[in-house]
Amino acid sequence: QVQLVQSGAEVKKPGSSVRVSCKASGGTFSSYAITWVRQAPGQGLEWMGGIIPIFGTANYAQKFQGRVTITADTSTSTAYMDLSSLRSDDTAIYFCARAPGGFCSSGICYWYYAMDVWGQGTTVTVSS
Amino acid sequence: EIVLTQSPDTLSLSPGERATLSCRASQSVSSSYLAWYQQKPGQAPRLLIQGASTRATGIPDRFSGSGSGTDFTLTISRLEPEDFAVYYCHQHGSSPSTFGQGTRLEIK
Repeated sequence: QVQLVQSGAEVKKPGSSVRVSCKASGGTFSSYAITWVRQAPGQGLEWMGGIIPIFGTANYAQKFQGRVTITADTSTSTAYMDLSSLRSDDTAIYFCARAPGGFCSSGICYWYYAMDVWGQGTTVTVSS
Repeated sequence: EIVLTQSPDTLSLSPGERATLSCRASQSVSSSYLAWYQQKPGQAPRLLIQGASTRATGIPDRFSGSGSGTDFTLTISRLEPEDFAVYYCHQHGSSPSTFGQGTRLEIK
């Protein structure tokens, strides 16, 4: 059974960066699609981007382009989400989630499956 | 970007009643790529329905999904106390993947 365990809560200053990790157990990590979704306090879900490690390709929502980097280390079955130039409105819970597969071609990824396993969430607070 | 609009924003019903939640897309979504999630306070979302109408593993059969094109529906046939939560539709067939704003299902 696949499980995703995320790193702990973070408190950051505006302008700094944060790295959130997501370690998978069970299944074949490299063939998953790992996506990152965030949820601001009292708000809905927002897709940030994702990666399919077997293709080594990440795609990002336009809103986060240039500020977010999603990577994956297949040797440790861990995905990472780096968010830079933090602002107060980046305060949110950040979730990683797995879909059972996907496909990437010419730099574009296709998220063929819904996200069936979620991490527990990581609270990131941005405050001066 | 495909915008998903859910209605209503809040639905107030009693246990035992039938709930019908709507998700309308700004452009056509392949049924294969429309999912529904349930989220309870303090928890991660849980996948309920994928491919517009296929229940995820372990999801009770009182949950059903339907629809195609731009109009999709999640139906809960007889509400149980544990069903009161927020529900999100999600399309993952077009980049970027997007979510609806959510429907809060509350006890009347």
